[in-house]
Amino acid sequence: DAGVTQSPTHLIKTRGQHVTLRCSPISGHKSVSWYQQVLGQGPQFIFQYYEKEERGRGNFPDRFSARQFPNYSSELNVNALLLGDSALYLCASSKGQGGLGFTEAFFGQGTRLTVV
Amino acid sequence: DQQVKQNSPSLSVQEGRISILNCDYTNSMFDYFLWYKKYPAEGPTFLISISSIKDKNEDGRFTVFLNKSAKHLSLHIVPSQPGDSAVYFCAASANQAGTALIFGKGTTLSVSS
Repeated sequence: DAGVTQSPTHLIKTRGQHVTLRCSPISGHKSVSWYQQVLGQGPQFIFQYYEKEERGRGNFPDRFSARQFPNYSSELNVNALLLGDSALYLCASSKGQGGLGFTEAFFGQGTRLTVV
Repeated sequence: DQQVKQNSPSLSVQEGRISILNCDYTNSMFDYFLWYKKYPAEGPTFLISISSIKDKNEDGRFTVFLNKSAKHLSLHIVPSQPGDSAVYFCAASANQAGTALIFGKGTTLSVSS
């Protein structure tokens, strides 16, 4: 079975540009979450989507947005890129959204975004 | 305010010995805890988890202990192997809030042969 796949693996953008990152969850998983990891820190929660609806949002500016498609894949969009947006962006998929049906989240290899 | 803390940035252990990685949390709403291992240029790999209704969970060489009164959990690896060398992240979730995970900063484990 394929794991969580993310594309692209690496990306270089210029300040002010827009970027779209993509994620395909594990087959059968309906929840996708996005995380940002900067050097020396743990991953920081950005968004969670379940059944195409936003179910959670972390402390990130409105420049960050996401959506989930009918096939449960997801996109993370970042507008007006800043140098500080340079990070590893991780996508995680899980079967449930929490509550009694909590299940572990499995991560993709990430997209390394560099803003110059 | 850091809700999940891993106060030891690094740990060095000899092959065959026990590795103990520690994690403290402040949010009493957390009810599910996970450990992830991360190699450079890869995403975190799930290792083991524990629900707040338990105080211990074992999976092969990995055991996680949870002390709710102290808001402390630890990961024991026995015996440690050189392939265990990686960054280990502790993560927590307030179940009713969905599957958003709050991560610590990580502990780099080095196992020497």
